[in-house]
Formats: sequence, C-alpha cells, structure tokens
Amino acid sequence: AQSVTQPDIHITVSEGASLELRCNYSYGATPYLFWYVQSPGQGLQLLLKYFSGDTLVQGIKGFEAEFKRSQSSFNLRKPSVHWSDAAEYFCAVGPPGSGGYQKVTFGTGTKLQVIP
Amino acid sequence: GAVVSQHPSWVICKSGTSVKIECRSLDFQATTMFWYRQFPKQSLMLMATSNEGSKATYEQGVEKDKFLINHASLTLSTLTVTSAHPEDSSFYICSATTSGGYNEQFFGPGTRLTVL
Repeated sequence: AQSVTQPDIHITVSEGASLELRCNYSYGATPYLFWYVQSPGQGLQLLLKYFSGDTLVQGIKGFEAEFKRSQSSFNLRKPSVHWSDAAEYFCAVGPPGSGGYQKVTFGTGTKLQVIP
Repeated sequence: GAVVSQHPSWVICKSGTSVKIECRSLDFQATTMFWYRQFPKQSLMLMATSNEGSKATYEQGVEKDKFLINHASLTLSTLTVTSAHPEDSSFYICSATTSGGYNEQFFGPGTRLTVL
C-alpha cells in the first residue's frame, strides 16, 4: 500500500529565509508525486507535480521539489519565503498510469509559519 | 482552466436536518469526482469516489446511507449529509479528475458544515 510521511508537523521560518519541507513516500514503484498548498479555509492548490523525467520540478509561486528515488523522498523547497507563503502544505502520492481513476494518498501536512 | 466550484461555501444547520453540497467542474468534463472530509489540523480523508453515471464507491467506515453521493453529469456531483449531527461538522472538499493517464485532481474550495 502507498503511504506518505511528512515528518514535520509545524515549521517556523523568517521571511526571506530558505525553506525545505520534507516528504517521504512508500510505494512499490515510482509513483506520481504532488505538493499542494492549503490556505486557511480554502481548498487545495497544486504547487507542482512529478510524473517522470527531470527529477527537479519547478512549480508555481517560486517553489521547487526534487525527487530522489534512492531516498524515496520528494522534498519541497523555496529559496526565499514570503509572508504570504504561510499555509499548510500537503505531499501526496498516487499510482502512475491509472487513467485518472485511482486514489491519491495525502500526507498529514506541514503547517508553515512565517515570522517577520 | 480546470476550475472546480463548491456550493455553498459554508452552511449551518440544525441537528437532524439534511444538507446538500454541490461540486461542479466549470471548464472540463469530470469523469471522476472525489469527496474528502478534513478534520481540524488533519489531512484529507477520502470518503468516496464517484464516476459519472455510476454508484459511488465508499471508503471503509463511511456510511453510504448517511453520505449520499450523486454524480449525475460530467460536471456535477452532489454530497448530501442526511440527518446531520454535530459530529458531522467538518470541512468537506471535492475534487475532480479527467481521464488521460494522470492522477491530477482539481480541488474545490471546500464547504464548511456546522451542525448545531
């Protein structure tokens, strides 16, 4: 069964500092990988996704993530955090090549706090 | 593109009444829609998967007679919480996918249900 672990429940960074959110997954093959952001009271917005190819993926809002097969990780990074990045971030995995009908498993989320 | 709306965005109801939540894909045909429930400070819990024109598939532990799902068209799915009780208070989120080999889901903004 697929699973996702986000080891950090809560992270606090200073505005302008760099950010890395950790995500580890368990899956028999290389899954599809996603990072979503959820602002308070809002639905999820896709930041970026990895299906295949280049292991460094660029997303919206200046975020990027790197897929490392050897470590079963898909960590999210941003070089300089803005106050508006304060939100909850979810990593997710899904089985590849399913035609859109299979289920995606979400991690428990990491809440990001940005201090001035 | 790929916009999903939910209506209402929030609803307050009395215990014992039923509440219907609509999920619409505005600019694409959603062959599959998912319904999630999110408790405070927790990840999304998949409740059910609905394919257009078919009966919904419910996750283990989700009462199908309490959470009625109808996916009557390629752009609309509804979730009806029947005989709602305070423990049903939660944030309900839908998502929609298209066919095409990927698992990317497009999420609605969510509906906050409060049962008094």
